Amino acid sequence: SQELEQSPQSLIVQEGKNLTINCTSSKTLYGLYWYKQKYGEGLIFLMMLQKGGEEKSHEKITAKLDEKKQQSSLHITASQPSHAGIYLCGADVGGGTSYGKLTFGQGTILTVHP
Amino acid sequence: EAQVTQNPRYLITVTGKKLTVTCSQNMNHEYMSWYRQDPGLGLRQIYYSMNVEVTDKGDVPEGYKVSRKEKRNFPLILESPSPNQTSLYFCASSLLWDTHSYEQYFGPGTRLTVT
Repeated sequence: SQELEQSPQSLIVQEGKNLTINCTSSKTLYGLYWYKQKYGEGLIFLMMLQKGGEEKSHEKITAKLDEKKQQSSLHITASQPSHAGIYLCGADVGGGTSYGKLTFGQGTILTVHP
Repeated sequence: EAQVTQNPRYLITVTGKKLTVTCSQNMNHEYMSWYRQDPGLGLRQIYYSMNVEVTDKGDVPEGYKVSRKEKRNFPLILESPSPNQTSLYFCASSLLWDTHSYEQYFGPGTRLTVT
């Protein structure tokens, strides 16, 4: 099984709707990252969460880290077609001994219909 | 502009023909890493480097070599490519290896096809 599970695997929403993507770890999280990827292209860094309870926002995207639940959520408010893409969560699940290696979830494909 | 660059972006080659994918960063980062991305398998780390002349294996190092002679460059070498190395490759860098504190920046990717 995956060390990082994302849900849902895909999401189709109408423009203007809110949505949430979850990332759940089977291990303790040390540094949780959210990236966005256009299909077949590079990863764009969105946010990094370091501590339980931390919440960060960038434009209409908010991410939270629940350390106890070993889970992070990414929330998009009033979605736009420009939000479409693949959202990936990545984390150090090695307890700080994995020397920079990020373990990634399988990704959530977001489609936003105008 | 702070960035990680990779070349080439696309490459089609034949089995056994040695190739190098270059990676360069202009942020004076100490840590660099290579990942491959495959459908259903996500991103997996190939090799990483914590500083000049310091490299180590990631999860899937077989069939790959790396070198870190300069801080800014971290080339990925496939001595004898095989079809199972067909993949999308990403180079990443961060100031230091500590994922608790330093974000990782990714290059645009190199799509490699080995026939």
